[in-house]
Amino acid sequence: DADVTQTPRNRITKTGKRIMLECSQTKGHDRMYWYRQDPGLGLRLIYYSFDVKDINKGEISDGYSVSRQAQAKFSLSLESAIPNQTALYFCATSYTGTANEQFFGPGTRLTVL
Amino acid sequence: AQSVTQLGSHVSVSEGALVLLRCNYSSSVPPYLFWYVQYPNQGLQLLLKYTTGATLVKGINGFEAEFKKSETSFHLTKPSAHMSDAAEYFCAVTGRGLGGQNFVFGPGTRLSVLP
Repeated sequence: DADVTQTPRNRITKTGKRIMLECSQTKGHDRMYWYRQDPGLGLRLIYYSFDVKDINKGEISDGYSVSRQAQAKFSLSLESAIPNQTALYFCATSYTGTANEQFFGPGTRLTVL
Repeated sequence: AQSVTQLGSHVSVSEGALVLLRCNYSSSVPPYLFWYVQYPNQGLQLLLKYTTGATLVKGINGFEAEFKKSETSFHLTKPSAHMSDAAEYFCAVTGRGLGGQNFVFGPGTRLSVLP
């Protein structure tokens, strides 16, 4: 079984709809992250959480919110989706410590019409 | 602050040829450097990382990278390309003491391997 899972893997929605992307991990990591990937821009950090009670905004948090329901679960919500939020979204996890690499889920491809 | 540039959004090599993917970084503190690979319809997978110690780092699938502080570079190489190396490659940087919130990715380089 995959260590970091994301649901759904693909989603098409309409402008103005609320949508939630979910991430679960079995790696036992305390840190979790949400990124979006756009062609030519690499990955940009949306939100990150160092533990259940610690949530922080990343580079591009406007229009997004998150919830850390448990150490193993971190969800990303788009309260009112807009077309420029069409992107590939990745969840990642890591152990505490600056030198530790991040482990990525398979991604969710979101299309907002 | 940290930033990463990757020269060449698309690189093509022949099977068996040398692979060279360029990464230059800027960092306000001593950097930790990473290379990730993304195969189609998959998440990112760590190829290798530099933290401290030996500046030539070996990773999976025959890749290696050398940290050159004077050139602020961390270029990725492989002596002989294989068809299975076709993917997108991302360089990333973070800095000592800054934590995961400063994990900054480059824009990526798509590698094509020609038969």
